[in-house]
Amino acid sequence: KAGVTQTPRYLIKTRGQQVTLSCSPISGHRSVSWYQQTPGQGLQFLFEYFSETQRNKGNFPGRFSGRQFSNSRSEMNVSTLELGDSALYLCASSLNAGQWPQHFGDGTRLSIL
Amino acid sequence: DQQVKQNSPSLSVQEGRISILNCDYTNSMFDYFLWYKKYPAEGPTFLISISSIKDKNEDGRFTVFLNKSAKHLSLHIVPSQPGDSAVYFCAAANSNSGYALNFGKGTSLLVTP
Repeated sequence: KAGVTQTPRYLIKTRGQQVTLSCSPISGHRSVSWYQQTPGQGLQFLFEYFSETQRNKGNFPGRFSGRQFSNSRSEMNVSTLELGDSALYLCASSLNAGQWPQHFGDGTRLSIL
Repeated sequence: DQQVKQNSPSLSVQEGRISILNCDYTNSMFDYFLWYKKYPAEGPTFLISISSIKDKNEDGRFTVFLNKSAKHLSLHIVPSQPGDSAVYFCAAANSNSGYALNFGKGTSLLVTP
């Protein structure tokens, strides 16, 4: 059974640009969550989507947004990139909304120059 | 503020001995706790979880203990194996206010032969 797939694995951008990251959940999983991992703050929750609707949002600025498609695939977008956005972005899926455990992908490493 | 704390950044244990990883939390509303293991360049992998209605959960070599009054949980690995060497994350969630996971910053476990 294929796991959570995130693309791309690595990305380099410059300040002020925007970026879109993609996540395909485990087949049959309908809930997708996004997390940011940095050395200073650790793993922090960004948002959760279920049935194409954002159910929950973490404490991040509006530059961070996401969406979910009818096939449960999800994208997150970061606009006006800042140096501090350099991080590992992890996507996790679960069968339904509000279910644990969440299963993680290998992440997208975003570097801002 | 960090609601989940793993105060030991690293731990070294000999193969065959017990590894004990500790985690403290501050939010008394947390009612579900999970442990994840992470290897370099991979996403976190779910290990074991426990609901707040229990004080112990066991799965093979892994046992999680929960002490609600002390707001403390621990993960015991017996016996420890070199393949257990990884970063271990403790996570907690409140089912009444969304299902986002709140993570500790991790403990790096090294199991030496």
